[in-house]
Amino acid sequence: RKEVEQDPGPFNVPEGATVAFNCTYSNSASQSFFWYRQDCRKEPKLLMSVYSSGNEDGRFTAQLNRASQYISLLIRDSKLSDSATYLCVVSSYGQNFVFGPGTRLSVLP
Amino acid sequence: GAVVSQHPSRVICKSGTSVKIECRSLDFQATTMFWYRQFPKQSLMLMATSNEGSKATYEQGVEKDKFLINHASLTLSTLTVTSAHPEDSSFYICSARGGDRGFEQYFGPGTRLTVT
Repeated sequence: RKEVEQDPGPFNVPEGATVAFNCTYSNSASQSFFWYRQDCRKEPKLLMSVYSSGNEDGRFTAQLNRASQYISLLIRDSKLSDSATYLCVVSSYGQNFVFGPGTRLSVLP
Repeated sequence: GAVVSQHPSRVICKSGTSVKIECRSLDFQATTMFWYRQFPKQSLMLMATSNEGSKATYEQGVEKDKFLINHASLTLSTLTVTSAHPEDSSFYICSARGGDRGFEQYFGPGTRLTVT
């Protein structure tokens, strides 16, 4: 089993739609969780950290479920500019980042 | 966020030659730098971790004699791909961590290497 798994997609959604991605991780000792966004042929950029209590940043909401070992990202009111690959990143304290394979999102006009 | 630069952004070289890629943290001291490789439609794969002033730690399956990493200062790490082959063609991305920036990694813009 891979350490971090994501549905690769693509998710094709119309503008204004709400879309959710899940990510599962296998290492129960993981302590830090992030969602990164990567545009085609560009470097990953931090979208948001994921906290135990869940957190929201504008149209984006991230949640963590430690018992089931998954994190989620919800995007409301999708914009064309949200089209990208969303990478789930998991890390244990002091350890390196482990990237998921990414989920590709295409927001259609 | 912090600023990390990479140079060059794109390089084409002939098979058998060596290529050096630089990664610089511009506004903080990076005690640790990471080198990743990304093939088309795949995720980032960590190649090696380097701490300033010490030898790099390579991930399993990554040849340390082929991918030479130097992290001589708190703002600069270099990756040299020696005797490059077409299968080394990839997107190489560095990231940096350290100083007062906590545990987060800041990524450089990447270097696209094509070996002909």
